[in-house]
Amino acid sequence: EPEVTQTPSHQVTQMGQEVILRCVPISNHLYFYWYRQILGQKVEFLVSFYNNEISEKSEIFDDQFSVERPDGSNFTLKIRSTKLEDSAMYFCASDGVRWNEQFFGPGTRLTVL
Amino acid sequence: AQKVTQAQTEISVVEKEDVTLDCVYETRDTTYYLFWYKQPPSGELVFLIRRNSFDEQNEISGRYSWNFQKSTSSFNFTITASQVVDSAVYFCALSEAETSGSRLTFGEGTQLTVNP
Repeated sequence: EPEVTQTPSHQVTQMGQEVILRCVPISNHLYFYWYRQILGQKVEFLVSFYNNEISEKSEIFDDQFSVERPDGSNFTLKIRSTKLEDSAMYFCASDGVRWNEQFFGPGTRLTVL
Repeated sequence: AQKVTQAQTEISVVEKEDVTLDCVYETRDTTYYLFWYKQPPSGELVFLIRRNSFDEQNEISGRYSWNFQKSTSSFNFTITASQVVDSAVYFCALSEAETSGSRLTFGEGTQLTVNP
């Protein structure tokens, strides 16, 4: 069964450093998403991406964040200058056109020291 | 604006008990989707069910059942004869779109602990 994959599973970085989180969505899906979950809290929407551009973003997704689909298979989330409060689990999801059902990857746990 | 409320922060039951997880939602759209996801201790989000706003039929899948009541804006989830493996955080979520591409708004989650 096709699935969304994410790398790395855990990333540790120093405050102020740039990080890139990678996702490979399900191959025939067209909509891509990033969500984050601070430890012990709910899952929060960051951004959605369709047809090579951002279709919607939340207030969390400020200028420090960017997304890209560089090669037609990967979907990346970049945080330019990480802060302590960026420590969270980051989930990628993808969605086919018909079913409005987002399939989630296993997540990347980001720890900012 | 859309909102999902899961008032039960934690529930603890003994194995084989039935348990119901509550979900209440707010939306101005007439067309929307409701979801339940399970998050086991390993951390991944496991899709359980999707229900659209025009389908108020209750659904049963094995030990799981869902009760959608538009009149009270609720989409409750019942686990019958609970098992230790059901221990997880359960999230209810809402999507305000008939087609794909819409964000999911999650509730705060309910931590279910099933004790042997």
